[in-house]
Amino acid sequence: AQKVTQAQTEISVVEKEDVTLDCVYETRDTTYYLFWYKQPPSGELVFLIRRNSFDEQNEISGRYSWNFQKSTSSFNFTITASQVVDSAVYFCALSEAGAGNNRKLIWGLGTSLAVNP
Amino acid sequence: EAGVAQSPRYKIIEKRQSVAFWCNPISGHATLYWYQQILGQGPKLLIQFQNNGVVDDSQLPKDRFSAERLKGVDSTLKIQPAKLEDSAVYLCASSLSLSYEQYFGPGTRLTVT
Repeated sequence: AQKVTQAQTEISVVEKEDVTLDCVYETRDTTYYLFWYKQPPSGELVFLIRRNSFDEQNEISGRYSWNFQKSTSSFNFTITASQVVDSAVYFCALSEAGAGNNRKLIWGLGTSLAVNP
Repeated sequence: EAGVAQSPRYKIIEKRQSVAFWCNPISGHATLYWYQQILGQGPKLLIQFQNNGVVDDSQLPKDRFSAERLKGVDSTLKIQPAKLEDSAVYLCASSLSLSYEQYFGPGTRLTVT
């Protein structure tokens, strides 16, 4: 069965600190996709990244970076030099590449990040 | 490029009334999703369309919820009759196809009193 675990329910940091949000997933498929979404206080879910299971290269986008490790089934998200605008709930999600229902997105419960000035 | 449009943004109804939400996905996106998000929780998939066919509606309470996607573009989600526990934000999302990243609309906040 597919499952996404975000063990950190809430994280609070001070501005300019680095912070890592953990994501651990379970799947029996060899081909799958991992995602991160951001939901700021305004409520609209924003897509951040999609990674397929064959691409273990780490990704960096500005202050955001993602570390994908198949050996530990983890897809962690790091924000460097955090800012108040990074305060949001961050969701990790998994989609298998099989047919039909397996392609629905399995969501983690989210990690609420508060960046304090 | 225009994003996912949803209306209304807010709706307040009494229990046992009916309500409908509308979604217009990003142009060219074959897959459309309706989610329910209760405060403090993650999104829960209600129904997923691929073009105008239903891919997954396993978590849709079919005794009161219905959805359609005519002509594979716009979609409507209806609740009839509403219950107090239906109070939530209803999110519409679209993607190029299955397993692609989903783009979300602003959501409709429903309050059932």
